[in-house]
Amino acid sequence: DQQVKQNSPSLSVQEGRISILNCDYTNSMFDYFLWYKKYPAEGPTFLISISSIKDKNEDGRFTVFLNKSAKHLSLHIVPSQPGDSAVYFCAASARVGTGANNLFFGTGTRLTVIP
Amino acid sequence: EAGVTQFPSHSVIEKGQTVTLRCDPISGHDNLYWYRRVMGKEIKFLLHFVKESKQDESGMPNNRFLAERTGGTYSTLKVQPAELEDSGVYFCASSQGTSYYGYTFGSGTRLTVV
Repeated sequence: DQQVKQNSPSLSVQEGRISILNCDYTNSMFDYFLWYKKYPAEGPTFLISISSIKDKNEDGRFTVFLNKSAKHLSLHIVPSQPGDSAVYFCAASARVGTGANNLFFGTGTRLTVIP
Repeated sequence: EAGVTQFPSHSVIEKGQTVTLRCDPISGHDNLYWYRRVMGKEIKFLLHFVKESKQDESGMPNNRFLAERTGGTYSTLKVQPAELEDSGVYFCASSQGTSYYGYTFGSGTRLTVV
């Protein structure tokens, strides 16, 4: 049973515009959320994260928004650049509530930024 | 600093054969994780080592999978006998503490069972 869902398998955006990637989750025990970026033939690399006590975290061109009541988070990339083209995974953790240190991932969204 | 190293990068085996995947974590990282991504699906947790001890193996699919971490250094994941549904990309990750900022993934081993 998938607890983290990314319902858009792909997204294409023009260079310079905003990319918005969405993620929904079902487990109310999740207390920490992360976004990973993955290029072909490489492992996922950490991009940005947010604790459940916040609703926004910003790091340069990347901003993550968390809506706990809707169990929804999104990643905004502004402005989008061709080098941002990759697969983006949403991940969540329930460490505080369960002590477990593993991450639950979504299926990923392939972002293509068109020059 | 060397990253997390996994080998082989690719493996094609026949159903019923045995395959062993290896992961070398970043030196000094006590925490080592195995994850798997089946084609087009989510990346799923398999198990977590702290040094040589299995902290959490709740994600291991069945007893055909055996993970070890000798001396708290490198880890191996053996699949015996392999089935078609075991095909996928197996990722290893390591971290010094429990912070996700230090959670570094390897490039993965793509396993194809035919």
